Amino acid sequence: DVKVTQSSRYLVKRTGEKVFLECVQDMDHENMFWYRQDPGLGLRLIYFSYDVKMKEKGDIPEGYSVSREKKERFSLILESASTNQTSMYLCASSLFAGGLGNEQFFGPGTRLTVL
Amino acid sequence: AQKITQTQPGMFVQEKEAVTLDCTYDTSDQSYGLFWYKQPSSGEMIFLIYQGSYDEQNATEGRYSLNFQKARKSANLVISASQLGDSAMYFCAMREGTNAGGTSYGKLTFGQGTILTVHP
Repeated sequence: DVKVTQSSRYLVKRTGEKVFLECVQDMDHENMFWYRQDPGLGLRLIYFSYDVKMKEKGDIPEGYSVSREKKERFSLILESASTNQTSMYLCASSLFAGGLGNEQFFGPGTRLTVL
Repeated sequence: AQKITQTQPGMFVQEKEAVTLDCTYDTSDQSYGLFWYKQPSSGEMIFLIYQGSYDEQNATEGRYSLNFQKARKSANLVISASQLGDSAMYFCAMREGTNAGGTSYGKLTFGQGTILTVHP
């Protein structure tokens, strides 16, 4: 059974803290993605990666960075958490090859609250 | 401009009835794909159905079908015989075929979502 796991379901952090959100997939997928989900805005892409050590900015990268040292693991880093980064964070992965129809597989999400 | 628009923030349907969730999209690409995902209250995203821009037939998966009208740029999800377990948030998403500079890599653009409530 294919799986994307995220390190925490719920996380509470203080303003200014450095926050790491971890995502691991066991499907040998090349592509990995980080989204944030906010009411009324749907899912917005923060960063994605198409290979180890490769990364590309998404639509809302400000205040975030990412790391992909191994194919199965993609980390989202909030360098200095702010209250406006309180959100649900979703990780996803997909195959690189095979065309437009490759679905993305999602993790369960991390609900982050920044106080 | 929004690339994916879901104009229905919330929809209600009676159990066993059919319901249509609207999705319109905007792209200048000839080659693209359209997806629908379901997100129950537990939070996980579940892939439901896919339609390619060159597919001549509307996609179907069990009780889900995609009413694809290319000229209107719409990709509505039809759920037949609604069940209580269908109550969830539904997202429409698009993958464009543009790969200039190698920046496509399977990115999806999502709509705002529609909350579906199925009444017994």
